[in-house]
Amino acid sequence: GQNIDQPTEMTATEGAIVQINCTYQTSGFNGLFWYQQHAGEAPTFLSYNVLDGLEEKGRFSSFLSRSKGYSYLLLKELQMKDSASYLCAVTDSNYQLIWGAGTKLIIKP
Amino acid sequence: IAGITQAPTSQILAAGRRMTLRCTQDMRHNAMYWYRQDLGLGLRLIHYSNTAGTTGKGEVPDGYSVSRANTDDFPLTLASAVPSQTSVYFCASSDSPAYNEQFFGPGTRLTVL
Repeated sequence: GQNIDQPTEMTATEGAIVQINCTYQTSGFNGLFWYQQHAGEAPTFLSYNVLDGLEEKGRFSSFLSRSKGYSYLLLKELQMKDSASYLCAVTDSNYQLIWGAGTKLIIKP
Repeated sequence: IAGITQAPTSQILAAGRRMTLRCTQDMRHNAMYWYRQDLGLGLRLIHYSNTAGTTGKGEVPDGYSVSRANTDDFPLTLASAVPSQTSVYFCASSDSPAYNEQFFGPGTRLTVL
């Protein structure tokens, strides 16, 4: 079967750095997405990785290792507004997005 | 309008009733999707459409039907609602199924009693 694993919840301190991991087992791989979802709102796109390595976009970076079936989202200089759920999703061989259950990130002052 | 709109925003429905959730996008995206999101389970795909005139079943299609008569609209119908269909429903679209960065509507919160 297809499976995406990510931690259910993480806590971090304002101004710090946090890394959210995602491991996947899917039938084929055509890219990995990270989305942010604030409580009561729709998911919004954060990043996309299709090749191995690090993609940096401001305070957010995303890393992919296809051989290990592994990705992480790195958030730097955490702000209170970063409190949200972070969803990992993989495009499989049929170009369907397979979604993880999401990681709820709690930022404390 | 800009992006994706969904209607209604929320609805309380008696079991056994028929209900259609509406979704409209103005980005001329080819692909559209319906998800349900339940606590602890993440987003689950109900139905999808890669282009106008075609539809496909996702992970949890039972009890739901869709149509795609044109590019912009993708309604989701519950023929006879049951309490297990209580959920938040998101419609999404992407320019291409191949690179499917998906854009989401604001969601419909549905409660079936």
